[in-house]
Amino acid sequence: DVVLTQSPLSLPVTLGQPASISCRSSQSLGHTNGNTYLNWFHQRPGQSLRRLIFRVSYRDSGVPDRFSGSGSGTEFTLKISRVEAEDVGVYYCGQGTYWPPYTFGQGTKLEI
Amino acid sequence: QEQLVESGGGVVQPGRSLRLSCVASGYTFSSHGMHWFRQAPGRGLDWVAVIWFDGSKTYYADSVKGRFTISRDDSKNTLVLQMNSLRGEDTGVYYCARDVGVVGPELDLWGQGTLVTVSS
Repeated sequence: DVVLTQSPLSLPVTLGQPASISCRSSQSLGHTNGNTYLNWFHQRPGQSLRRLIFRVSYRDSGVPDRFSGSGSGTEFTLKISRVEAEDVGVYYCGQGTYWPPYTFGQGTKLEI
Repeated sequence: QEQLVESGGGVVQPGRSLRLSCVASGYTFSSHGMHWFRQAPGRGLDWVAVIWFDGSKTYYADSVKGRFTISRDDSKNTLVLQMNSLRGEDTGVYYCARDVGVVGPELDLWGQGTLVTVSS
């Protein structure tokens, strides 16, 4: 199974400041069809998941443009340009290039 | 609006069974594959099972293979997870998710989850 390793696991931030989360894969996530099925999800305390980014860098509808995704191969990054209070919670990267199983990173807890 | 609502969770003794449901609304349920995931208390996310949009294929995590069955009833817009021979390690919040992908899973819509507690 593909192992995703996130860092940091805890991310204290200041409102209005940038934040960055890394996701490293145990193998390259480039699919033979040219796509890379690496996604980012956000889970607020006590709530379900919301997908923010799909295929590395495409923002989902309604996701603020302060969120951006980048990377390739085995190294990926989620960036928040200016953290807002509503951004608290846990962020997960997830991969669907080699599945089943669909696998997630351990999660990064962002707190103000 | 598009929505997934799970139900059926509860407290159950080890070795017993439980049936979870996920009702979809606001979109054409029969057009997409569906997954179940779970999240143990204080832990990360684990994939449990998937069913193809037409029900033709199902796959399971090794940890639940032979004990859990995923199915769908498109006439009721409902996804089901039948869980038998439950164990303590099956405890967690169970989420259903919609898959809009063609090749790799594209999990764009999630339910709010239902809590399953396996304990004597």
